[in-house]
Amino acid sequence: TQLLEQSPQFLSIQEGENLTVYCNSSSVFSSLQWYRQEPGEGPVLLVTVVTGGEVKKLKRLTFQFGDARKDSSLHITAAQPGDTGLYLCAESGGSQGNLIFGKGTKLSVKP
Amino acid sequence: KAGVTQTPRYLIKTRGQQVTLSCSPISGHRSVSWYQQTPGQGLQFLFEYFSETQRNKGNFPGRFSGRQFSNSRSEMNVSTLELGDSALYLCASSDRPQAGSSYEQYFGPGTRLTVT
Repeated sequence: TQLLEQSPQFLSIQEGENLTVYCNSSSVFSSLQWYRQEPGEGPVLLVTVVTGGEVKKLKRLTFQFGDARKDSSLHITAAQPGDTGLYLCAESGGSQGNLIFGKGTKLSVKP
Repeated sequence: KAGVTQTPRYLIKTRGQQVTLSCSPISGHRSVSWYQQTPGQGLQFLFEYFSETQRNKGNFPGRFSGRQFSNSRSEMNVSTLELGDSALYLCASSDRPQAGSSYEQYFGPGTRLTVT
């Protein structure tokens, strides 16, 4: 079973700072999804990356898929308090394609 | 389109009791998956139902079971509750046509279960 490792586990920054969080695996990803989960809510899908080297942008969020498709990063520019939440990566690595999630990076952006 | 709904949102039960949680998927979605989320283990896959049949199952004991109705609504049941079953239980729906294909899931807000 594929294991996804996310780092850092916790991140606390001031509004306006930039940050990068990572998702790594020892195996090749078929595709990778990034979710954000706010307190008291379910995860919300942000993006799906499929092709090695792919870069996708969502406003101030930039998602990158490693060339070898074994790692991915999420970069946030000029973080805002509304970016606070748990960022999860997930991959269809289950025996029948069910999603396997990393444990997430808990981000806190202070005003 | 209405999103995924889960009821109840919060539940407190005693060890040894059983509990049933409900999930209504997005209209038109036939796949419903259930996850358990805890601070220590993160999000762990429980099972997936598609057209009233269990299509996929995670590594949880038989105390955890589920079913899906003809309208795609799903329920999960946990019998003989243990303290370690305290968690956020999330339901997700998708329109994934077959097992093994890539897909995107839409999550409900979850049911927070506390076992005392």
